[in-house]
Amino acid sequence: GAVVSQHPSWVICKSGTSVKIECRSLDFQATTMFWYRQFPKQSLMLMATSNEGSKATYEQGVEKDKFLINHASLTLSTLTVTSAHPEDSSFYICSARVTGATNEKLFFGSGTQLSVL
Amino acid sequence: QQQVKQSPQSLIVQKGGIPIINCAYENTAFDYFPWYQQFPGKGPALLIAIRPDVSEKKEGRFTISFNKSAKQFSLHIMDSQPGDSATYFCAASRQGGSEKLVFGKGTKLTVNP
Repeated sequence: GAVVSQHPSWVICKSGTSVKIECRSLDFQATTMFWYRQFPKQSLMLMATSNEGSKATYEQGVEKDKFLINHASLTLSTLTVTSAHPEDSSFYICSARVTGATNEKLFFGSGTQLSVL
Repeated sequence: QQQVKQSPQSLIVQKGGIPIINCAYENTAFDYFPWYQQFPGKGPALLIAIRPDVSEKKEGRFTISFNKSAKQFSLHIMDSQPGDSATYFCAASRQGGSEKLVFGKGTKLTVNP
């Protein structure tokens, strides 16, 4: 089946530093990728929709200058948490959709646990 | 405003039991309804999905029942096993499943041996 690789799987950083999370579709092209945030025992909250070659679309309440998204190729999207603070600690998950397909061909990465000290 | 309401929040069954998880939606424009399974520390994985032109869909031990008039859909797991213990999320999207997914709050299922 289709594989979405998310890296790193966990990261610990100091407050004020920036952290980059990568999301790669390994065996398919993905024009559209999605970034979610998930708190313990809670649902997935969509942060932004990333489209290759264009600016990401952020959900209401998500700071675009804090959560920088770059989708420079059809197989790679990155999320950079800038000037991270303890309240940014969370589980971040990406998903990638096969180009031209519906959400039936949407696949999730394994997530990144971010801990900001 | 929560667009997809999921219940129960948690569920415990014995091995072989048939857990049922329910979801309700308000937006009649939704036309794609998937269920995802998530294990701790992992991303969700698609289990089964349904579109509103059918009332039931079965894949292996997993069945979705869909009631368009009531705007409800549910997941049934037949002959549940301890390995089915996970969190299950229902979701919905519009435009034939091409728009963003809206997730329910999740149900933590525990299947005891």
